[in-house]
Amino acid sequence: QSALTQPASVSGSPGQSITISCTGTSSDVGGYNYVSWYQQHPGKAPKLMIYDVTKRPSGVSNRFSGSKSGNTASLTISGLQAEDEADYYCCSYAGTSTMFGGGTKLTVL
Amino acid sequence: QLQLQESGPGLVKPSETLSLTCTVSGGSISSSSYYWGWIRQPPGKGLEWIGSIFYSGSTYYNPSLKSRVTISVDSSKNHFSLRLSSVTAEDTAVYYCARHGGGLSRNFDYWGQGTLVTVSS
Repeated sequence: QSALTQPASVSGSPGQSITISCTGTSSDVGGYNYVSWYQQHPGKAPKLMIYDVTKRPSGVSNRFSGSKSGNTASLTISGLQAEDEADYYCCSYAGTSTMFGGGTKLTVL
Repeated sequence: QLQLQESGPGLVKPSETLSLTCTVSGGSISSSSYYWGWIRQPPGKGLEWIGSIFYSGSTYYNPSLKSRVTISVDSSKNHFSLRLSSVTAEDTAVYYCARHGGGLSRNFDYWGQGTLVTVSS
């Protein structure tokens, strides 16, 4: 099984909005509403930011939002802040398996 | 506050078996609402799901690792374990344990800090 496809890097200036895509197939992202997103700072464990495509865990800023269209899910971060600079990973239920994306490095300029 | 902590050898020889344990504190591993999983991350690379287990012992594994992986649970000790056999250098990674919701949701909401396992002679 191949990893879900994410752009290697994205960047934005403070205050701007950015979107990270996560492309899979009808067997994973497109087939179920069970996509989650994780933020990982260097040397730290991943942190859940979005689950079930659009749900935000308690304590996560409402600047983070998720969506899905067909086989592609997206994470949008609005009002970019310096602390948002990190790696971001998508994850999807895929039948009896679970798949992660290859990761996207977000740089805040 | 739920906490997860990985433990086990940091160095494993090629062809041997990697064994790790994840101890859960601040909550019961026997909750019927959650699964407990292992995820790994090779140095400088992305995340890879290894497998998950329910407190009853029901498991499901990454198809690419299934032939080498065993995950087990010990409710009396509130911990679950990972065994990965016939390791090679490609199994060198930070290994994380994490909790995710029951059903189909892949909301890994609590994670251990991770432990680096190096495969080398």
